[in-house]
Amino acid sequence: SQQGEEDPQALSIQEGENATMNCSYKTSINNLQWYRQNSGRGLVHLILIRSNEREKHSGRLRVTLDTSKKSSSLLITASRAADTASYFCAADPGKLTFGQGTILTVHP
Amino acid sequence: DTEVTQTPKHLVMGMTNKKSLKCEQHMGHRAMYWYKQKAKKPPELMFVYSYEKLSINESVPSRFSPECPNSSLLNLHLHALQPEDSALYLCASSQAPGQPYGYTFGSGTRLTVV
Repeated sequence: SQQGEEDPQALSIQEGENATMNCSYKTSINNLQWYRQNSGRGLVHLILIRSNEREKHSGRLRVTLDTSKKSSSLLITASRAADTASYFCAADPGKLTFGQGTILTVHP
Repeated sequence: DTEVTQTPKHLVMGMTNKKSLKCEQHMGHRAMYWYKQKAKKPPELMFVYSYEKLSINESVPSRFSPECPNSSLLNLHLHALQPEDSALYLCASSQAPGQPYGYTFGSGTRLTVV
C-alpha cells in the first residue's frame, strides 16, 4: 500500500525558479526520505529527515517535516534543466513506502 | 563500489518461461529489497531481506520467488508470469534494516511478459 499523496502531481517551471513539492503520509514514521527518478530508471536518494527533525538542508535542497500534520515538503532552489525528473517522498515506518510522486519539468 | 548492479536491463519472457533477475552490491549493506514499478506509478515494495533472511513478503504471488544466496547477492526467480506482471523491477540495498539510512537503488530490469 502507498503512503499517501504528493502535491502537485506535475510542476512546470523556468530555470532559476524555485520548485516546491509537498507530501503527506499516513502512518507514524522513523524518518522520511526524498528520491529522484529520471526517465523510469533507478531512484536516487536525495535527502533523509528524521522524525525528530523539522528542517534539513543539502545543497540546493531544503526539506521540512511536520509530524503533527504528517506532511513534508521539498524545496529545490535555483532549479536547472537537469533537475527535470520525477520526485518521490518515501515514508519509513520500518519499511520504505513511496508517495505518488511529482513530475518536475524545468524549462531552459 | 557504491552501486547496486541489476541484470539483465531488459527481459522479454513468455508466460511459460522461467527466468531470474539478479542484483548485486558490494557496499556491505545488510538489507536488500525488491520493488515493482508500473509506468507512471510509484515503486511498490515486494520483498525485504534482512541479514540474508526474508523478513517481509508483501503478499506477493508465488510466481515470484526471491532468494538471497549471500550478503551481496539477491535474485528474483520468475515462473508462469502474467502480462500484467510487466513492469520495472528495482533492487535496492541499505546499510542495515530499520536504521535511518537512504536506500541505494539499481537501475532496474524492465520486464515484458508476452
